[in-house]
Amino acid sequence: KNEVEQSPQNLTAQEGEFITINCSYSVGISALHWLQQHPGGGIVSLFMLSSGKKKHGRLIATINIQEKHSSLHITASHPRDSAVYICAGRRSYNTDKLIFGTGTRLQVFP
Amino acid sequence: EAQVTQNPRYLITVTGKKLTVTCSQNMNHEYMSWYRQDPGLGLRQIYYSMNVEVTDKGDVPEGYKVSRKEKRNFPLILESPSPNQTSLYFCASSGGLDRTSPDTQYFGPGTRLTVL
Repeated sequence: KNEVEQSPQNLTAQEGEFITINCSYSVGISALHWLQQHPGGGIVSLFMLSSGKKKHGRLIATINIQEKHSSLHITASHPRDSAVYICAGRRSYNTDKLIFGTGTRLQVFP
Repeated sequence: EAQVTQNPRYLITVTGKKLTVTCSQNMNHEYMSWYRQDPGLGLRQIYYSMNVEVTDKGDVPEGYKVSRKEKRNFPLILESPSPNQTSLYFCASSGGLDRTSPDTQYFGPGTRLTVL
């Protein structure tokens, strides 16, 4: 069993739908990244959070460290949101060691 | 423009021929990492560095070496590449670690390596 699990693995949506991607982890972490990887391969960091909630445009990320769970929400989804979304946990405060989920592939159709 | 650069972007080589993939960042970041990405396995950390001359192993360090002689550069060295090191490699950097203000990772464009 992976230390970081994402669900669902694949997700299709119609443009405009509200989307939720979940990330659960079985080890202690100090913070969590959400990353976006487009079909061309480039990786962009969307959020890094250690508590509560962060919002950037149509993207919202939440984390509950005690429950070992994080969610990424996309409101009013658009075809350009089609990508692989990856969560990654930072193992502790004094290290840059990350453990990754295997990603959620999102396709948004017009 | 703030960026992480990697070279080469594509490389085909043969088993046993030493190679180096360079990584450079222009953001004066303290932390740098190397990752590999394989289908079905996702991203895995190879090595990371928290400062000049400070490096540590990630989850899959076997067969790789790194060095951090300057803050901006973090090359990945494959002394004797093997076919199981065929993969997509990413370098990343971040400013540092702060309990109250965790930092963002900036990724390079990736290097696709094929070892025959």
